[in-house]
Amino acid sequence: DIQMTQSPSSLSASVGDRVTITCRASQSISSSLNWYQQIPGKAPKVLIYGASSLQSGVPSRFSGSGSGTDFTLTISSLQPEDFATYYCQQTYSNPWTFGRGTKVDI
Amino acid sequence: QVELQESGPGLVKPSETLSLTCSVSGGSISNYYWSWTRQSAGKGLEWIGRIYSSGSSNINPSLKSRVTMSVDTSNNQFSLELSFVTAADTAVYYCARVYYYDRWYYADYWGQGTLVTVSS
Repeated sequence: DIQMTQSPSSLSASVGDRVTITCRASQSISSSLNWYQQIPGKAPKVLIYGASSLQSGVPSRFSGSGSGTDFTLTISSLQPEDFATYYCQQTYSNPWTFGRGTKVDI
Repeated sequence: QVELQESGPGLVKPSETLSLTCSVSGGSISNYYWSWTRQSAGKGLEWIGRIYSSGSSNINPSLKSRVTMSVDTSNNQFSLELSFVTAADTAVYYCARVYYYDRWYYADYWGQGTLVTVSS
């Protein structure tokens, strides 16, 4: 299985901050990398697919970059509704695997 | 707007079979992949597998011996069966639509999730 390692596991930030979350794959996954946001008690919501493509309806303050093994999710200016847990997921090979998540709180 | 809704028992006894159904509304189940993912406190998000509307499936090898997935296109539903459950299978189970676009797969619509507890 491809292991996905996210860092940090949690971070504290303020409204307006620029936030960066990283995800590293245990082997190259090309750009087969998705980012999801999960609010407690809710299902995950896709933000970014294909490492850098913004899902329709997702605010442009979210962006993704990277290819191969190293990927980044950036929130350019953190908003109150962005306090959540973020997961990366690889869909390069079976089984699809997720990172352990990064919790963003105040 | 596509909506998904999981249904099934919230409590399953050890060694028995967990059965869940995902009902899809607002769109056709045909020509898409559909997936099951579970989430437990101990293991985070775990992808169980996906099934195409034709019935072909890809299952997580760690669960493959216990998992059966099926699609019912006439009722716009798909299902998951997980046999010989143990306490380690206690989790929130999510169904989702998997969208394939420009070489990429991603889950764009999700059910709300259903908690399944394995206990006697």
